[in-house]
Amino acid sequence: DAKTTQPTSMDCAEGRAANLPCNHSTISGNEYVYWYRQIHSQGPQYIIHGLKNNETNEMASLIITEDRKSSTLILPHATLRDTAVYYCIVRVATSFGNEKLTFGTGTRLTIIP
Amino acid sequence: GAVVSQHPSWVICKSGTSVKIECRSLDFQATTMFWYRQFPKQSLMLMATSNEGSKATYEQGVEKDKFLINHASLTLSTLTVTSAHPEDSSFYICSARDLIPRVNNQPQHFGDGTRLSIL
Repeated sequence: DAKTTQPTSMDCAEGRAANLPCNHSTISGNEYVYWYRQIHSQGPQYIIHGLKNNETNEMASLIITEDRKSSTLILPHATLRDTAVYYCIVRVATSFGNEKLTFGTGTRLTIIP
Repeated sequence: GAVVSQHPSWVICKSGTSVKIECRSLDFQATTMFWYRQFPKQSLMLMATSNEGSKATYEQGVEKDKFLINHASLTLSTLTVTSAHPEDSSFYICSARDLIPRVNNQPQHFGDGTRLSIL
């Protein structure tokens, strides 16, 4: 699986958009970008994933660069409950695969009142 | 949405005790579940892949006789920490994915974890 690089920590003011970057320069053509977050003492929560097109759901938007070597997770209006560690993971995904997820160190996002 | 439940959420026991942790998929079936371990201020580390009806696949360095995994049905996998010692104290988390994907490349969903403390 391609390795990802994320900043160790970030702060964001409450109500502002939080933009979390992720570099995955060695990503291959069949690898998806997944984002999860982990709030303290809980299991990871799935946020969003994409292959090459930008994606949006009720939680966030995912912007993937044209060369797919990096991506940005956007939380449009951050709240205090968005304080968590955010993990960017790239992985080959199949319809019936038993794919493992490899977690890096992630970005610790702190939302400031 | 897909829900994965773990039980217990927290357990404290004496050294030498065996502890069983359950992972259930509540509204979907999963042929494969994953078990992770997380030490304080560290990331999740995959321990093993649990396969329904067959033997689990363990990651390098994980003792299969120490961490017994049973996946007897499409909705339940169990992890038993045998003869637990203080160094086994950790946060154990399972994940699963729907056997029948409703969307392409459906993601894994995680339980809320079990915090194990061995005295």
